[in-house]
Amino acid sequence: AQKVTQAQTEISVVEKEDVTLDCVYETRDTTYYLFWYKQPPSGELVFLIRRNSFDEQNEISGRYSWNFQKSTSSFNFTITASQVVDSAVYFCALSPSNFGNEKLTFGTGTRLTIIP
Amino acid sequence: DTAVSQTPKYLVTQMGNDKSIKCEQNLGHDTMYWYKQDSKKFLKIMFSYNNKELIINETVPNRFSPKSPDKAHLNLHINSLELGDSAVYFCASSQDRQLPNTEAFFGQGTRLTVV
Repeated sequence: AQKVTQAQTEISVVEKEDVTLDCVYETRDTTYYLFWYKQPPSGELVFLIRRNSFDEQNEISGRYSWNFQKSTSSFNFTITASQVVDSAVYFCALSPSNFGNEKLTFGTGTRLTIIP
Repeated sequence: DTAVSQTPKYLVTQMGNDKSIKCEQNLGHDTMYWYKQDSKKFLKIMFSYNNKELIINETVPNRFSPKSPDKAHLNLHINSLELGDSAVYFCASSQDRQLPNTEAFFGQGTRLTVV
């Protein structure tokens, strides 16, 4: 069974502050993929990142960075110098990588509000 | 070009009606999905199709029946709609399931409101 926990239901920060969104997962699979998706107020789901369980290197993309720690089963997402456009619901998700079972298990999401 | 498109975007209907949501992807993907997002934003997979074949069928009432006329389309038909069916339904697609897992591309969602 897979489970993704995003303990932070809502976060509000003032613009230009850094903010970290937590994600903790549970899986019995030895190989898996982790994802982050953004859902802006317009409603669509936007893919942000996919991380293979073999690759524990942290990743940085502009103001976004991700910290994957297998030892703590966490895949946290940090936005530096936050902007109002970052306001959205962010979902962490997990998918097993074995054949024939591509499905995403989502966390409950974290609503991020950036205050101008 | 819209990669995954769903129609309609909004659907308001009365209890007991039958309705369909259409989904089309132009990415050449072999696998398509339906997800349901409830009022608390919780996203859960409903169905997964690969090359028109049903792969995943989570615990979903029989009133929900996916139909895949070809691998670019996965429509969702719902019979005898109930108030609890009100949600946002997302269609998604991803590459061949036998290749290393890739991200799923999502449609814009269909907000279904049952009154």
